[in-house]
Amino acid sequence: QAVVTQEPSLTVSPGGTVTLTCGSSTGAVTSGHYPYWFQQKPGQAPRTLIYDTSNKHSWTPARFSGSLLGGKATLTLSGAQPEDEAEYYCLLCYRGPWVFGGGTKLTVL
Amino acid sequence: EVQLVESGGGLVQPGGSLRLSCTASGFTFSTYWINWVRQAPGKGLEWVANINQDGSQKSYVDSVKGRFTISRDNAKNSLYLQMNSLRAEDTAVYYCAGGPAAGYWGQGTLVTVSS
Repeated sequence: QAVVTQEPSLTVSPGGTVTLTCGSSTGAVTSGHYPYWFQQKPGQAPRTLIYDTSNKHSWTPARFSGSLLGGKATLTLSGAQPEDEAEYYCLLCYRGPWVFGGGTKLTVL
Repeated sequence: EVQLVESGGGLVQPGGSLRLSCTASGFTFSTYWINWVRQAPGKGLEWVANINQDGSQKSYVDSVKGRFTISRDNAKNSLYLQMNSLRAEDTAVYYCAGGPAAGYWGQGTLVTVSS
């Protein structure tokens, strides 16, 4: 099965902007992979932030946005808050099997 | 209030079996794909299996094919995962996730495979 790649860790300053990326071993990530982004804090279940590349749930803070750029899915956080410190996972759909990336540990410091 | 509640986890010996359940409330369970996702201790998320609305389509991660079976009972708003021939590497918290745009997650149930 495909391998989905993410940065292992990133750091952003409070109020700053950071972009997380999600790549696929099979080639360019497209809208046909229906990219998802999830946030998970220690001891908690994951929370779905973004679906179908760029769509937000009602609970997704406006400072998060999703897109496709350079053959990858991206999650951009603009105006980082201390509570955004968490692990972020992307997920791609491959016509049946779904595959998570390894996760990006985001530190707000 | 939307809820997904997993149950059925526990300690099982290698080679043993376990059946997980996930009961949904607060949304129209029968109209959505539902997934099982697991997370080994200290590790990332791993998608395990999913099933479509009427149970006619199922997909599995390669590592569980032939050992795990996903099923659902829409009359009971319930999702199941029958796990056979369990291995130490199946030790994880198992989550069910689904609903509109996979927006709903349960709190998980811990499965420990150990002698």
